[in-house]
Order: sequence, then C-alpha cells, then structure tokens
Amino acid sequence: ELKVEQNPLFLSMQEGKNYTIYCNYSTTSDRLYWYRQDPGKSLESLFVLLSNGAVKQEGRLMASLDTKARLSTLHITAAVHDLSATYFCAVESSGGSNYKLTFGKGTLLTVNP
Amino acid sequence: DVKVTQSSRYLVKRTGEKVFLECVQDMDHENMFWYRQDPGLGLRLIYFSYDVKMKEKGDIPEGYSVSREKKERFSLILESASTNQTSMYLCASSSRSHYNEQFFGPGTRLTVL
Repeated sequence: ELKVEQNPLFLSMQEGKNYTIYCNYSTTSDRLYWYRQDPGKSLESLFVLLSNGAVKQEGRLMASLDTKARLSTLHITAAVHDLSATYFCAVESSGGSNYKLTFGKGTLLTVNP
Repeated sequence: DVKVTQSSRYLVKRTGEKVFLECVQDMDHENMFWYRQDPGLGLRLIYFSYDVKMKEKGDIPEGYSVSREKKERFSLILESASTNQTSMYLCASSSRSHYNEQFFGPGTRLTVL
C-alpha cells in the first residue's frame, strides 16, 4: 500500500525567509504532484513532476523529484504572506489503477509579516 | 481551462435522507473521483471511475454509492445520510493524456443534522 508522508505538517515562517517542505513516499512511482489549498477553497494544481530529477519553478516556489530516494521537495524562497495556504503532495500509484493519486496530509504554511 | 463544477457549495440534510452530489467536467476526461476532506485526516478517496458505467471503490466506500451514466457527469449518493458523513466533498477529474493530473471542483460542504 502506497503511503505518502509530508513534513512538517505545520510551518510558521517570517516573510523573506526560505524553507523546504518534504514529501516522502513508500513505493516506486515516477509521478508526483503538488497542490495548494486556500482556506475554504478547493485544491489548485501547482506542479506535475514526471521523472527522476524533474525540477519545476513558479515564482517563489520550486519543486523537485528524486525517485530513487522516493522524495520530493517544495522549496519556498523569500516567503510572502500570499503564500500562506495548505500544500499537498500526491503520488501516482504504479501499475494497475495508475491514475489514482495518494495524497499526503498537507502542510499548513503561515507566513507572518 | 479545465472546469469541474459541483452542484452545491453548501448543503444541509437530515439524518436518514438520501443525498445526491453531482459533479460535471467539461474536458472530456475519462477519470473522475470523489474525495472527502476532514481536518487532520487529509483527502480520502471514496470512489472513482475510469470510464462510463465503470466504478471502483476507494479507501472509504462504506455508506456511499456512485453513478456515471455519461462521461462528463459523476454522482455521489449517500443512501441514508448520517452525522458522521458531515464533511467537505471534493470531486476531481483527470486524463491519461494530461499526465493524470487531477483537477478539482470547488467542493460541497455537507452538514447532516
């Protein structure tokens, strides 16, 4: 059974600081997804990482994937208040029902002035 | 842009009522999903469908059923609503030709009294 663990689950940071959210998963997979959820809203797709070594960047967020280590990171550079949200990683199951995603529990990020 | 819509944003029902939640996507996606989201438990997959009239149980199917008579529409049915089904329900769709990236609807917050 595929398990996805994110850490930290709660992150409070000051504006202007850098930090990394980690996503570990338990079985082989080549695809990993990052989503953002604002309070009371639905999930919005941020990044799709399709292979080992993939790196995607959008603004102050950069995501990477190491399939050998079964690890993805979401790096936040010079955080601003607008980045406050919950961030989820999700991993695609390999083989069989490989369109299913298993989600981590999410990281609640609060950026303070 | 992919658009996934859900029939209601907020719904209040009484214990024992039959509840229908509807989801419609406009991008000809073959896969559709129903999740529920609860604080501290993350997203949990209830049912999914990879084709018209096809359905598979997710992680927590008990107390729910689904229907997919048309490709664009996926319905979640609570046969006899109970208070422990009070939750946020999220619908999503995806396509193999778009890396199985899931696109989410706005969510339905269901309260069962």
